[in-house]
Amino acid sequence: NAGVTQTPKFQVLKTGQSMTLQCAQDMNHEYMSWYRQDPGMGLRLIHYSVGAGITDQGEVPNGYNVSRSTTEDFPLRLLSAAPSQTSVYFCASSSLGQGNQPQHFGDGTRLSIL
Amino acid sequence: AQSVSQHNHHVILSEAASLELGCNYSYGGTVNLFWYVQYPGQHLQLLLKYFSGDPLVKGIKGFEAEFIKSKFSFNLRKPSVQWSDTAEYFCAVTEGSGTYKYIFGTGTRLKVLA
Repeated sequence: NAGVTQTPKFQVLKTGQSMTLQCAQDMNHEYMSWYRQDPGMGLRLIHYSVGAGITDQGEVPNGYNVSRSTTEDFPLRLLSAAPSQTSVYFCASSSLGQGNQPQHFGDGTRLSIL
Repeated sequence: AQSVSQHNHHVILSEAASLELGCNYSYGGTVNLFWYVQYPGQHLQLLLKYFSGDPLVKGIKGFEAEFIKSKFSFNLRKPSVQWSDTAEYFCAVTEGSGTYKYIFGTGTRLKVLA
């Protein structure tokens, strides 16, 4: 049982490049989410999804797109990378519950934008 | 907007000392509360959660937390810390039932001296 798998683990981009961070889970969880972790700022929610075909914005959605075509996958797209998007990105999933289910986190993607 | 405050950003303790980390949230209605731990180089893991019932919640590794509704607080405690508790600790909140925006605090870095 792999849990939540994120790829790649590390990536360096140039300003203006695009890229997709991959996230997959094998626990049949309805809820999936993306966070960025920056020093002194904790984790901030970027986008989340409560099921295939349903996505919504979190605290810091600007500059990021998501889609949820399957239950298992929830990719995060940076259309035109900016240095301010340098961060560690975590994907998480959980069963839906009533917002009271603990999340399972991936190992993170460390992204640097030059 | 919902917010979560963790006032202790860095805490240094000697082994066997008692620990209390503060967490306050801003939402006045029903909440679900979580504490997560992130060991160096690892992803976040759930320590404990509260969504109803006994306001004193026991989690893994000897941690506990107390929900005090009148103080909007959910402080984390451990009677006697170990060197292996060195990590970053995050408090998180979701509002009521059926909402899925997890809001995290900025985290507290705990260093335990052997």
